[in-house]
Amino acid sequence: DIQLTQSPSFLSASVGDRVTIACRASQGISTYLAWYQQEPGKAPKLLIYAASTLQSGVPSRFSGSGSGTEFTLTISSLQPEDFATYYCQQLSSFPRTFGQGTKVEI
Amino acid sequence: EVQLVESGGTLVQPGGSLRLSCAASGFTFDIYEMNWVRQAPGKGLEWISYISSDGVTIYYADSVKGRFTISRDNARNSLYLQMNNLRGDDTAVYYCARVAVAVVGGIGHTSFDSWGQGTLVTVSS
Repeated sequence: DIQLTQSPSFLSASVGDRVTIACRASQGISTYLAWYQQEPGKAPKLLIYAASTLQSGVPSRFSGSGSGTEFTLTISSLQPEDFATYYCQQLSSFPRTFGQGTKVEI
Repeated sequence: EVQLVESGGTLVQPGGSLRLSCAASGFTFDIYEMNWVRQAPGKGLEWISYISSDGVTIYYADSVKGRFTISRDNARNSLYLQMNNLRGDDTAVYYCARVAVAVVGGIGHTSFDSWGQGTLVTVSS
């Protein structure tokens, strides 16, 4: 199974900050990676797929990069509604594993 | 509007069984692959099962293999998860999620583009 390790697990930031979350895969997955945002009590929401393609309707302050085993999610200027937990997911093979999550808090 | 609505979650005793349903609307259900994903209280997301659009290809996480069965009824626009021999560590919110396929750089890429609101399964005596 492919393991995904996110860092950091918790991130304290302020409105307007640039935030970067890393996701490392235990083996190469090309660009078969997606990022999701989950607010408390809500279902996850797709932000980015194919490592760097923004899902329709997602603000352009979100961006993704990487390939192989190293990936990043960047929020260029943190907004109040961005305080949430973020997950990466690999879609290269089954099982479709998720990272453990990164909670972005004030 | 795409809608996925899960139902069937409840309190069940260890060793018991439960069937979850996911009702789909707002899209052509029978051409989409589907998944079940769960989230234990205060924990992260765990993928547990996949089913192809025609129901022929199925995968499970090791944690549920042999106990859970995924199925679908395309005529009823519904996805199901039959859960048997339930354990305490199966306690979680269960989500159904639709698979989207997009071609990027000439290569097909999948993602889970729509999710239901989740249904809570509690396994306890």
